[in-house]
Parts: sequence; structure tokens; C-alpha cells
Amino acid sequence: DGGITQSPKYLFRKEGQNVTLSCEQNLNHDAMYWYRQDPGQGLRLIYYSQIVNDFQKGDIAEGYSVSREKKESFPLTVTSAQKNPTAFYLCASSPAWSRANYGYTFGSGTRLTVV
Amino acid sequence: GESVGLHLPTLSVQEGDNSIINCAYSNSASDYFIWYKQESGKGPQFIIDIRSNMDKRQGQRVTVLLNKTVKHLSLQIAATQPGDSAVYFCAEWALIFGTGTRLQVFP
Repeated sequence: DGGITQSPKYLFRKEGQNVTLSCEQNLNHDAMYWYRQDPGQGLRLIYYSQIVNDFQKGDIAEGYSVSREKKESFPLTVTSAQKNPTAFYLCASSPAWSRANYGYTFGSGTRLTVV
Repeated sequence: GESVGLHLPTLSVQEGDNSIINCAYSNSASDYFIWYKQESGKGPQFIIDIRSNMDKRQGQRVTVLLNKTVKHLSLQIAATQPGDSAVYFCAEWALIFGTGTRLQVFP
């Protein structure tokens, strides 16, 4: 089945450590996105990628980094510079970077807890 | 900056009743809107979308209404079921999301 996979579902890390969240899609989508969701709040865009080897900062990119070396993969690294990293992270993809995001699909999320 | 937001944080309805979830947007140039449903601990799921050249669009048990004059859209769920309990988001172009409305369905 085609879809978007995030792993792991739950992740625990010690404060000060970098951690990388995985996002893989087999939908042949060009565009991929990372969002952060905090309790009682909406989704906030961290980074997005319109096409392979390209990515752009979203609204809250500080303390995060991404790469897009392959079309199907868009990993997110939460660095030690991120002041409040504990959150629910959602990855998404869409066929193309356009205002009509038909087929915009979300992964099931990774809950990161920093202790 | 531009924003899309929801009026009510929580909506409680009885099973079988109709639900209406509202959303306001501020960018008059917005031309495409999406409603998502998010269950606890899961990623959002697409429910229905609407383009600005439409006032109404219907799906299975769901209807989205768009009022461009007052920059408002709503999601109507007919005969609400316990499985409809979730947080509902509206979004403009899938990059700008409201904070969400939690729908609670009581038997």
C-alpha cells in the first residue's frame, strides 16, 4: 500500500542530544513537509521541500535541520539548540508544490520526549 | 501575518445530532481550503476540500460551506457518530492550520 511512514512512534532522548526523526514515502510525491504540534495547538511548519535536493525553512526552523537527498526520504534532526523539543512531530507529502494540494497525506507522527 | 483560526475549542454533541464546526480566515486571496480530522496520537486525515469558486461541497455525511464575503467556512457533519470524536482543523493550502476544534460525541 502506498503511504507515508514515520518512525519511531515514540522517542525518548536526553537533553542536549541530537535526534533524527525518519519520514519515508512511497507515493512518488515531490513535496514533503515537517510540522510540530504542541498540546492544544495547531500544526506549525518547520521545514518543507518542494523537490529532491531542495528545502526551505518554515515558520519555526530554529533548532532543526533537514535533508532531501532522496525523493522518498525527508529526515528531520532535532538539535540541542532547540529549546523546547518535546512535541508531536508530523511529516506530510503532496504530489507537487502547488496551491491545490490534492493528495496531501500525513504520516502517523512521532512523539518526541526529551528528559 | 495571515491566519486561519477556529471559533470554538470544544464542541459537544449528542449522537445522531448534526455538528457544525466553524473556521475564519483572514487572507482574502485564499482560494483553497481543506478540513482535516485528527484522532488522538495520529496524523491528520483529509476530510473534504473546497475551492474559492464554490460555496458548498458535499461528501459522505459532511458538507463544507464557504462564505467569502465574511471569510468564513464551516464543516457540517450529519448524524454525528461516536467515531466522529476527534479534533478538526481547517487549513488554507495545507500550510496554515487553525488550532483545531475538539468534537466530543455523547451517547
